[in-house]
Amino acid sequence: GESVGLHLPTLSVQEGDNSIINCAYSNSASDYFIWYKQESGKGPQFIIDIRSNMDKRQGQRVTVLLNKTVKHLSLQIAATQPGDSAVYFCAENRGNAGNMLTFGGGTRLMVKP
Amino acid sequence: NAGVTQTPKFQVLKTGQSMTLQCAQDMNHEYMSWYRQDPGMGLRLIHYSVGAGITDQGEVPNGYNVSRSTTEDFPLRLLSAAPSQTSVYFCASSSPGQGVDEQYFGPGTRLTVT
Repeated sequence: GESVGLHLPTLSVQEGDNSIINCAYSNSASDYFIWYKQESGKGPQFIIDIRSNMDKRQGQRVTVLLNKTVKHLSLQIAATQPGDSAVYFCAENRGNAGNMLTFGGGTRLMVKP
Repeated sequence: NAGVTQTPKFQVLKTGQSMTLQCAQDMNHEYMSWYRQDPGMGLRLIHYSVGAGITDQGEVPNGYNVSRSTTEDFPLRLLSAAPSQTSVYFCASSSPGQGVDEQYFGPGTRLTVT
């Protein structure tokens, strides 16, 4: 079936460096793409989203890039901090009733001090 | 506001037992949903509701029942627990028109079935 998936299961970066987390999706009908951060023992926390009619969106220290040609999504975190250590999920929403989400498999980001 | 609350936080069941996972939200959200998260994986949708009295199946509904008698509560019932249902369960809520960035997740219930 159609799914959203991630390339790298674990990413280790030095504090202060930039991090890039990638995600591939297969459903070209998706309207929304969302990045979530999940810390150990907690529920997913919204980071940033992007609509399918955009190719870039910036937040505080985070940027999401969408390449619809190759169905690829990335999350860039600038000046990575120890508090950024978590598992990051991409998810897609197809604009359906109930705001239902289809999640990818997750990437664990480890920040070394 | 307490947001989305889930009880219990942890639960151990024997195969064949039944139980109900509770989810409540105090934000007057119309949409509520249940996801399960297996180790190292993303969340998968079990059931969802777009309003009181309305429920529908998600990606992995087998073995679970839901009901939505009030806007605030959306309990998830395991009728006969199986080891394959060992997982972390998350409840989420949102409102129509607010978009997915307004979807709030609860802290999760960790369930182990032996």
